[in-house]
Amino acid sequence: AQSVAQPEDQVNVAEGNPLTVKCTYSVSGNPYLFWYVQYPNRGLQFLLKYITGDNLVKGSYGFEAEFNKSQTSFHLKKPSALVSDSALYFCAVRGPNAGNNRKLIWGLGTSLAVNP
Amino acid sequence: GAVVSQHPSWVICKSGTSVKIECRSLDFQATTMFWYRQFPKQSLMLMATSNEGSKATYEQGVEKDKFLINHASLTLSTLTVTSAHPEDSSFYICSADYVGSLPGNTIYFGEGSWLTVV
Repeated sequence: AQSVAQPEDQVNVAEGNPLTVKCTYSVSGNPYLFWYVQYPNRGLQFLLKYITGDNLVKGSYGFEAEFNKSQTSFHLKKPSALVSDSALYFCAVRGPNAGNNRKLIWGLGTSLAVNP
Repeated sequence: GAVVSQHPSWVICKSGTSVKIECRSLDFQATTMFWYRQFPKQSLMLMATSNEGSKATYEQGVEKDKFLINHASLTLSTLTVTSAHPEDSSFYICSADYVGSLPGNTIYFGEGSWLTVV
């Protein structure tokens, strides 16, 4: 069965420090991996995705993520955190044989708090 | 990215009444739309997958007679919460997928709709 784990409910970092939000996955075959961000009372915004190719993916707002097949991980990173990055972050995976439903399997989310 | 619009953003209704939430893809045709429910500070719970022109596929535990989903066109899906009760109060979010989409394509989300049943 496909699954996604975000082991940390909350991550706290100081503004200007690097941040990492962790995500590991389980899927049969090659995965399609996504990161989304949700600000309070808003829908989800797409940040970045991994489909194939370069393991380091760059996305919106200075975020990047590294696909590690051996560790089945897709951690989200940013070199220098901003207070405005404080939000809820979701990792999601879709297997290669998603079928007509194309459902994404979601992690439980990680709340990022960037302290000034 | 593609634009998905949800309406209304906020709605308050009386217990026992029905309320409809619309999800529109503004600049693309969406074969498939997904409806999610989210409780405060919690993850997304997929309620159903809506395919244009056919019946929605509901996730286990979701009452299809209570949460009516219609996807009559390639740009509009609606979720109707029938005979709403206070426990139905939640944040409802839709997302849409392109016609002919591949597994690696991005799914875009609406801004969500807060439902409060009093």
